[in-house]
Amino acid sequence: KQEVTQIPAALSVPEGENLVLNCSFTDSAIYNLQWFRQDPGKGLTSLLLIQSSQREQTSGRLNASLDKSSGRSTLYIAASQPGDSATYLCAVSHQGGKLIFGQGTELSVKP
Amino acid sequence: GAVVSQHPSRVICKSGTSVKIECRSLDFQATTMFWYRQFPKQSLMLMATSNEGSKATYEQGVEKDKFLINHASLTLSTLTVTSAHPEDSSFYICSATDSEPGAKNIQYFGAGTRLSVL
Repeated sequence: KQEVTQIPAALSVPEGENLVLNCSFTDSAIYNLQWFRQDPGKGLTSLLLIQSSQREQTSGRLNASLDKSSGRSTLYIAASQPGDSATYLCAVSHQGGKLIFGQGTELSVKP
Repeated sequence: GAVVSQHPSRVICKSGTSVKIECRSLDFQATTMFWYRQFPKQSLMLMATSNEGSKATYEQGVEKDKFLINHASLTLSTLTVTSAHPEDSSFYICSATDSEPGAKNIQYFGAGTRLSVL
């Protein structure tokens, strides 16, 4: 049974700092891995999707890496801003499309 | 990008009533849609996979008679919470996968429905 773990559960940083969020999964036979952002009481916004054959994806200040063999992914956020404050969720999918989510990292960026 | 509309965004109901939540893919066809629920400060848990024209596949521990799913067209899936009770209060989110070949299996999420059962 696939289990997804995110560390840390919560993180508070001053504005401008670079930071890394971690995600690990127990079953490496994944189809892809996604990072999402969720604002309080809202739905999900997809940030980055990494196919199982890829090692990383970049979008603006965000960079996500994937090491499938070790069951790890990281989300790197450069030059953090108060608007980045949200919960970040990692999710893996297998063939058939089911997503298994981690518990999320609640990020707070202080001005 | 692809848009998934979920309605209503919030519903408050009395215990014992049934509540229907709609999930629509607005600019693409989705043979498969997913329903998740999220308790406060917790992650999303998959409830069921909704397949157009066939019965939904429920995850272990999810009561199929309690959470009725209908996927009657390629753009609409509905989740009905029957005889809702306070413990059913939660945030329900749907997602849809673009059926177009080469669409990379990306799931697009609705904005969620906050259900409060009094």
